[in-house]
Amino acid sequence: QKEVEQDPGPLSVPEGAIVSLNCTYSNSAFQYFMWYRQYSRKGPELLMYTYSSGNKEDGRFTAQVDKSSKYISLFIRDSQPSDSATYLCAMSAVSNTGKLIFGQGTTLQVKP
Amino acid sequence: EAGVTQFPSHSVIEKGQTVTLRCDPISGHDNLYWYRRVMGKEIKFLLHFVKESKQDESGMPNNRFLAERTGGTYSTLKVQPAELEDSGVYFCASSLDRLGAFFGQGTRLTVV
Repeated sequence: QKEVEQDPGPLSVPEGAIVSLNCTYSNSAFQYFMWYRQYSRKGPELLMYTYSSGNKEDGRFTAQVDKSSKYISLFIRDSQPSDSATYLCAMSAVSNTGKLIFGQGTTLQVKP
Repeated sequence: EAGVTQFPSHSVIEKGQTVTLRCDPISGHDNLYWYRRVMGKEIKFLLHFVKESKQDESGMPNNRFLAERTGGTYSTLKVQPAELEDSGVYFCASSLDRLGAFFGQGTRLTVV
């Protein structure tokens, strides 16, 4: 069983839709939760990170962590064609190494 | 400010040959990580440097892989001899505080 599970999609939505991306995990030691965006042939780009449970908002993006359910989400409001990319969740158990455990990534397409 | 830079962007080598990948982290970032993504799989951790010291090399597949970080600046990852299963995209990342690492664009390695 993988430590982090993420539906690879693809997920296709119309422009302006609210997008919900999710990951589940099995390791209760994970404390730091990140979302990366990766465009084709590019490296992952950090979008947001959160510590422990709760919500964090940055513009059109909201990250949620529910440690009791071992479930994290990324919401994108008013989605744009430029949001079309692969979204990767990543987690870290301890902060003194920064070693990240990644989900497989969800491919998102926002259609104009 | 320059981001994380990786060379080459793409390498095609024959099985049994040697390949050396290079990573130049963001200036001032003591933490440097190597990750790999093989086709159809998630990005996986290989190792972590703090300055010139290896902090965690638990993800290195076998002794055909050798990573170095000269003077705590750039890093190299050598594969010798290369095998078919080494094909994939190798990412380098760097960070100040072990959270939210910044990734390079990756080196696509193809072993034929």
